[in-house]
Amino acid sequence: GENVEQHPSTLSVQEGDSAVIKCTYSDSASNYFPWYKQELGKRPQLIIDIRSNVGEKKDQRIAVTLNKTAKHFSLHITETQPEDSAVYFCAANYGNNRLAFGKGNQVVVIP
Amino acid sequence: DAGVIQSPRHEVTEMGQEVTLRCKPISGHNSLFWYRQTMMRGLELLIYFNNNVPIDDSGMPEDRFSAKMPNASFSTLKIQPSEPRDSAVYFCASRGQKETQYFGPGTRLLVL
Repeated sequence: GENVEQHPSTLSVQEGDSAVIKCTYSDSASNYFPWYKQELGKRPQLIIDIRSNVGEKKDQRIAVTLNKTAKHFSLHITETQPEDSAVYFCAANYGNNRLAFGKGNQVVVIP
Repeated sequence: DAGVIQSPRHEVTEMGQEVTLRCKPISGHNSLFWYRQTMMRGLELLIYFNNNVPIDDSGMPEDRFSAKMPNASFSTLKIQPSEPRDSAVYFCASRGQKETQYFGPGTRLLVL
């Protein structure tokens, strides 16, 4: 199966600064990489995803980059705001479009 | 669209009791996933249905866990008998033709 790892486990940033979370995956056949945001006590919600035919995708203050050769992808959040504080999960697809999730990164935006 | 619906939202039960969790996927979605989330193990896939047929149940922890999907709009996850280590948040997710999985609000289960 697929193995997904996230680094760092916790990230604290000053409001207005950028945050970057990195994920690595093991299955070279994976071709779909979503990022989910989970606020305390709530469900994981998709915030951005990328497919293997592109190297970068951007949506307002968030962007995702993919390096298929190195098997890693990253989430970039610019101009961070307090409402960006949450746990962020990366995932990679494998076999019949199941998703393998990383353990999550706690992002804390300090006002 | 109401999104994925799960019930109950919270369940507190005593060890040895039967627990039934319910899920209604998004209308038109043909894949349904049951996950368990804990601090120690993160999000774990328990079982996955495609067109109401169980495809992969290798994540089901043991025989005490069972899942069914009698039709395209309803699935259950049953734990019998329940144990304290089953305490977790159980999420149901559904997927349509694209790869994106949409999660329900989860059921927070506490087994005393």
